[in-house]
Amino acid sequence: QQPVQSPQAVILREGEDAVINCSSSKALYSVHWYRQKHGEAPVFLMILLKGGEQKGHDKISASFNEKKQQSSLYLTASQLSYSGTYFCGTEPSSNTGKLIFGQGTTLQVKP
Amino acid sequence: DTGVSQDPRHKITKRGQNVTFRCDPISEHNRLYWYRQTLGQGPEFLTYFQNEAQLEKSRLLSDRFSAERPKGSFSTLEIQRTEQGDSAMYLCASSLGRINQPQHFGDGTRLSIL
Repeated sequence: QQPVQSPQAVILREGEDAVINCSSSKALYSVHWYRQKHGEAPVFLMILLKGGEQKGHDKISASFNEKKQQSSLYLTASQLSYSGTYFCGTEPSSNTGKLIFGQGTTLQVKP
Repeated sequence: DTGVSQDPRHKITKRGQNVTFRCDPISEHNRLYWYRQTLGQGPEFLTYFQNEAQLEKSRLLSDRFSAERPKGSFSTLEIQRTEQGDSAMYLCASSLGRINQPQHFGDGTRLSIL
């Protein structure tokens, strides 16, 4: 079942923070986060595994609460380059390789 | 690491024709995935291979779709008797076969059905 992302869209000024949420109705093994710019391939950001792990990637970090079947992506001090559509991909069990993606959250960062 | 390569980038065809797309994964990656993406949606899983073995195929995939990875390197996705609803971006991704590995996507093939 497709995970639900919120919000659907967000507009920020440079330097502002944002949180993107990803919720699943099914138990998850891992959550993968990607960013896609218009006309380009999705680019891998990070993987979150069971265990409430929080990972960081420059000023982008994420957390995973497997009890609530939720993951959140945190973007701090946003830059113009952060603009794009963010997708979470959920993996229901270990090593299936199959990702089920949410519908995406479009982020626009303005100067 | 030259990245995942897909060919062609764009394909325009008439309804009812057959089309074939090719994907060349990152050389050391033994897993290869096919996804379909329509405007405003996330990628939708179609099928994946571990080496030459096709391990899973989406139940949503009609029998007009077939994929192969004959020598465990490049893969082809064929759509027979194309329909209007097949218009989409077809994305290929590859990864190492170990657990918890990221999937790296190619730029996709955009299919337009006239």
